[in-house]
Amino acid sequence: RKEVEQDPGPFNVPEGATVAFNCTYSNSASQSFFWYRQDCRKEPKLLMSVYSSGNEDGRFTAQLNRASQYISLLIRDSKLSDSATYLCVVKRGGYQKVTFGTGTKLQVIP
Amino acid sequence: EAQVTQNPRYLITVTGKKLTVTCSQNMNHEYMSWYRQDPGLGLRQIYYSMNVEVTDKGDVPEGYKVSRKEKRNFPLILESPSPNQTSLYFCASSSRASGGALSLTDTQYFGPGTRLTVL
Repeated sequence: RKEVEQDPGPFNVPEGATVAFNCTYSNSASQSFFWYRQDCRKEPKLLMSVYSSGNEDGRFTAQLNRASQYISLLIRDSKLSDSATYLCVVKRGGYQKVTFGTGTKLQVIP
Repeated sequence: EAQVTQNPRYLITVTGKKLTVTCSQNMNHEYMSWYRQDPGLGLRQIYYSMNVEVTDKGDVPEGYKVSRKEKRNFPLILESPSPNQTSLYFCASSSRASGGALSLTDTQYFGPGTRLTVL
């Protein structure tokens, strides 16, 4: 079983739709969780960290469920510019041991 | 401007010819990492460094070497490249959270990537 698993998609959604991605992780020692965004084989960029209590940044909401070992990302009112691959990232240990999911591709269509 | 730079951006080489990909950051970050990205496999950590002269293996270190002689530089060395090392490589850096504990806000900043082809 992969340490971090994501549905690869693609998710094709119309503009204005709400879309949700899940990511599961297998190591219960995982401590920090993030969502990164990657455009067309460019470098990944941090979208948001995921806090235990859940957190929101504009149209984006991240949730963490430690009991079930998954994190989620909700995008409301999708824009064309949201089209990208969304990477789930999990950190554990004290020394930057980082595992990326393979990413979920989102295509927002007019 | 805060940034991570990598060179070269594109490289085509032949099996067995030693090469070095440079990575440099200007943010005074302690942590630096190298990743490779392959279709269907995502980003996999090759090596990481917690500070000068401190490095450790990631998930896929075979065939690679690194060094951290200066805080700002973290070169990736392929002593004898093989075709299975054809990939997109990213360098990243981040700061250490206070007290050495992980911080939810310690963002990794990535370089623009190096596309390597080994024939």
